[in-house]
Amino acid sequence: GQQVMQIPQYQHVQEGEDFTTYCNSSTTLSNIQWYKQRPGGHPVFLIQLVKSGEVKKQKRLTFQFGEAKKNSSLHITATQTTDVGTYFCAGNNNDMRFGAGTRLTVKP
Amino acid sequence: KAGVTQTPRYLIKTRGQQVTLSCSPISGHRSVSWYQQTPGQGLQFLFEYFSETQRNKGNFPGRFSGRQFSNSRSEMNVSTLELGDSALYLCASRRGGDTGELFFGEGSRLTVL
Repeated sequence: GQQVMQIPQYQHVQEGEDFTTYCNSSTTLSNIQWYKQRPGGHPVFLIQLVKSGEVKKQKRLTFQFGEAKKNSSLHITATQTTDVGTYFCAGNNNDMRFGAGTRLTVKP
Repeated sequence: KAGVTQTPRYLIKTRGQQVTLSCSPISGHRSVSWYQQTPGQGLQFLFEYFSETQRNKGNFPGRFSGRQFSNSRSEMNVSTLELGDSALYLCASRRGGDTGELFFGEGSRLTVL
């Protein structure tokens, strides 16, 4: 069945450094979504990518969808303490399968 | 408008017991999905219901079951609880179809002793 792999599992950065998390699917996806879960909270939707090679930006966050629609990345420029949390990708191919998530911690 | 509501928020059970969790989706949402979240395992897909029909199912044993009612509210049941079933169970709703963002509830945290 469909599997979604996400790396790294943890990332600790100094405030102001950049951060990237990568997602790979074993199958071609119809779309991919990204979610953020703050400590003690529930996942909250960030964005959905649908088109091959699509790139979307939200302020300091840049999301990419691979040409083959099997991989994706989330890049945060100049991290802030408010970026702390776990970032999940979710690949959609009949059902939504989540990656294991990347837990980001930011040192002030 | 009200978000996704899950009850109970916390519960403690012992091995061998069964548990029923409830999820009320956002008004107008017809799709309800359930996920199990454990440390280091991310969100594991349990099943999705749409218009009272199970549309997809994850790789969980038959002890995990669910259903959806005509008002889109959903329940999931776990029978013969095992220690490994201790987790946060998250419910998510979306309007319908197979795309669109998922709106998550706060979750039901189950502890099995």
